[in-house]
Amino acid sequence: ELKVEQNPLFLSMQEGKNYTIYCNYSTTSDRLYWYRQDPGKSLESLFVLLSNGAVKQEGRLMASLDTKARLSTLHITAAVHDLSATYFCAVDIKRQGNLIFGKGTKLSVKP
Amino acid sequence: SAVISQKPSRDICQRGTSLTIQCQVDSQVTMMFWYRQQPGQSLTLIATANQGSEATYESGFVIDKFPISRPNLTFSTLTVSNMSPEDSSIYLCSVESDTLSGNTIYFGEGSWLTVV
Repeated sequence: ELKVEQNPLFLSMQEGKNYTIYCNYSTTSDRLYWYRQDPGKSLESLFVLLSNGAVKQEGRLMASLDTKARLSTLHITAAVHDLSATYFCAVDIKRQGNLIFGKGTKLSVKP
Repeated sequence: SAVISQKPSRDICQRGTSLTIQCQVDSQVTMMFWYRQQPGQSLTLIATANQGSEATYESGFVIDKFPISRPNLTFSTLTVSNMSPEDSSIYLCSVESDTLSGNTIYFGEGSWLTVV
């Protein structure tokens, strides 16, 4: 059974600081997705990582994928309050679009 | 990208009743997926809906409780049957769509159900 583990589950940061969210998964996959969810909202796609060594950056967020280690990271640089949200990683092992999600990391950025 | 519309966006339902959620996509897609997100929890895949065949359900979900229709390549429905308060959740449909940076999986806005 595929397991997707995120840590930390809760993260309180000060503005301007850097931090990394980790996503480990238990079965071979080269398709990993990161989403953001704001309270009362649906999921917003952040990154799609489709190969070993893939790195993508958008603004203050950078995501990477190491398929050999079965690990993806979401790095936050110089956090700002607007990044406060819950971040989910999800793995597609069947390559069909059906995702297995981690439990999510609730990020709170404080001034 | 894909634009996904869900109806209803919110509803308050009586225990024991059933509700059908609709999902409309602005382009033809082979597979559509239905997820449940219970309060404060992550998303769990309910089933995969292919046009022209029966839906494939994940462990813990059964057709009698969550019947799904997929009449064409742009539309699907999920029914939550004989609802109880434990069914209070967000129900989301998703599709995979081609983008310039590769395939991305998009989600609808969700249907927020409260069962009383």
